[in-house]
Amino acid sequence: DAGVIQSPRHEVTEMGQEVTLRCKPISGHNSLFWYRQTMMRGLELLIYFNNNVPIDDSGMPEDRFSAKMPNASFSTLKIQPSEPRDSAVYFCASSLGLPPTDTQYFGPGTRLTVL
Amino acid sequence: QKEVEQNSGPLSVPEGAIASLNCTYSDRGSQSFFWYRQYSGKSPELIMFIYSNGDKEDGRFTAQLNKASQYVSLLIRDSQPSDSATYLCALLWGSNYKLTFGKGTLLTVNP
Repeated sequence: DAGVIQSPRHEVTEMGQEVTLRCKPISGHNSLFWYRQTMMRGLELLIYFNNNVPIDDSGMPEDRFSAKMPNASFSTLKIQPSEPRDSAVYFCASSLGLPPTDTQYFGPGTRLTVL
Repeated sequence: QKEVEQNSGPLSVPEGAIASLNCTYSDRGSQSFFWYRQYSGKSPELIMFIYSNGDKEDGRFTAQLNKASQYVSLLIRDSQPSDSATYLCALLWGSNYKLTFGKGTLLTVNP
């Protein structure tokens, strides 16, 4: 299995630009999670989906962030407009079901730098 | 707000020693606890989880949970240089199955 696939792996953009991060979960997995990791705040859950439906988006920082999962094999996280404080590593993870019974498998992450 | 506290380290141990990593949490209602390992520049990977008081062993790893004292620990026996990584503690809370992570402890195993 290819594992969780994320693209791009690195993104450098200027403040005010729109950024779209992409994720392809492991085939057959029903849950998908978006995390953000920074030195200051650690690893934070932004939003998660179960069967393509957003279950909890309370971790989304503000209206500039939005996430979609149009089908079982694709999800996007969009930031519009981007700000320097959005610079972080964004991870997508998927699991067969929900914790604790099902392990979350993380993708390689997208390192975002907003200048 | 659910808080998970970890000593950021770095924790340095010699090869072959026991490494002890600790985590405290604020929510008495938390039911399940997870240990993840993250190599530098890589993504987190699950080592093990525990939800009952006491010890749970998996190979060289032992997780220990004490709900009354609100701490969970991870012991790594016969530490190897390949164990050098950041170890993240996470707890599961709420009916929405959200994981809250600590900031991690950097472990360095010296040959």
